[in-house]
This record gives sequence, C-alpha cells and structure tokens, in this order.
Amino acid sequence: DTGVSQDPRHKITKRGQNVTFRCDPISEHNRLYWYRQTLGQGPEFLTYFQNEAQLEKSRLLSDRFSAERPKGSFSTLEIQRTEQGDSAMYLCASSLPGQGYAGELFFGEGSRLTVL
Amino acid sequence: DQQVKQNSPSLSVQEGRISILNCDYTNSMFDYFLWYKKYPAEGPTFLISISSIKDKNEDGRFTVFLNKSAKHLSLHIVPSQPGDSAVYFCAASDVSGGGADGLTFGKGTHLIIQP
Repeated sequence: DTGVSQDPRHKITKRGQNVTFRCDPISEHNRLYWYRQTLGQGPEFLTYFQNEAQLEKSRLLSDRFSAERPKGSFSTLEIQRTEQGDSAMYLCASSLPGQGYAGELFFGEGSRLTVL
Repeated sequence: DQQVKQNSPSLSVQEGRISILNCDYTNSMFDYFLWYKKYPAEGPTFLISISSIKDKNEDGRFTVFLNKSAKHLSLHIVPSQPGDSAVYFCAASDVSGGGADGLTFGKGTHLIIQP
C-alpha cells in the first residue's frame, strides 16, 4: 500500500498524559500537512511541512502541540498534557510540489484521540 | 467565523437522480476550490477542483460550478449511485496569497442515495 499511513489509528489516554502520532506520507511527496477534525466539523489546518521545514502553523496549534519531520520523510505530532478538548481525529495529508494548497491532498485514515 | 459554509448537514436523493451539493464562502481571497468525499473510518479523498478563473469543471458524473459574484459553488452528481453515499466537504484556498492557511474546509454534507 503506497498511500499515507498513520499510527496509531486510535489512542485512548487520560487527561494530562502525552501522546504522539506518526504519519508516513507517500514517498515522493515533499509536502506534509496535519489537520484536526472534531465531530460535525470539517478538517481544520494545523501545520504544514515542506521537506523538513515547518513553514506554517495555525493559531489552533497551542504550545502543547509540537510537530516534527526530522528527515523530510515521516512526521510526528506530539500533544503534551492532553485535555479533553484535544479529543478529535488527527489527519495527515501529503502532496506533490506544485500541488498542495491548490490541488489534491492525499489524506491518511486518521488517528482518533480520546482523552478521558 | 466559518469562511466556508455548507448549510445542509444532510441530503437524501434517489438513485439515478441528480444530487446537488452547495457551498458558500466569504473570503474573497480564495481562488481555488475543491470537493472531497469521505467514507466512515477513512480519510477524505479528492474528488474535483476548480480555479477561480473558470466557472465550470466537469469530470465524468461530477461537475462543479462556481459563481464568483455570489461566492457560491455547487457540486452536481448525475446520475447518483449508491456508492456516492458519503460526506462531501467543500474546501477553498488562497493560492496566489501563498496558501498560508492550507485548505479551509466546510462542515460537510452527508449525502444519502436512496435505492
């Protein structure tokens, strides 16, 4: 399968714990995005990487959130001191150069976070 | 504030008929519009897009219409098939401005195709 893969698919944690999600984009895609989707809402942009550089961050990305893409391949999204409001589906997407904002994003299946 | 609005949370259409999904936007800087389709437990998949320099784009059974003056776009599916039952998201971006905020999505419309 050469699509975008995310791990874990579902994470249940207690409030105050840290969680980390991993995203492996399509191999030739140099752009990688993180989105968050809550119930009844559309995906909301969190952050964007071009290769290893994090180029944009949304106001939604509080200082408890950190994302990395150390070698320009896979990416991790860490949430520290989780709160119940962090419960959501975290979606990763990737795209080719020249696409992305204008064109097609390829999404993974998402990592669902439940904070108790 | 919702910059991309899909005012119909759900839509039920008979198989074989036309499905029309609507989307309105408020940000005049948006110059590229996309529709995504999402099945349960899957990520959204790209369906069709349109640039603001066009008013129509067609791909098989799917056609997107853009009315810039009304800041309105619509997705037409004809004929509708059972496999079209899914949540459809309208999305927009400001490409000429660098797309700093990625894609802005609406809340989605759940399309149900009745046999």
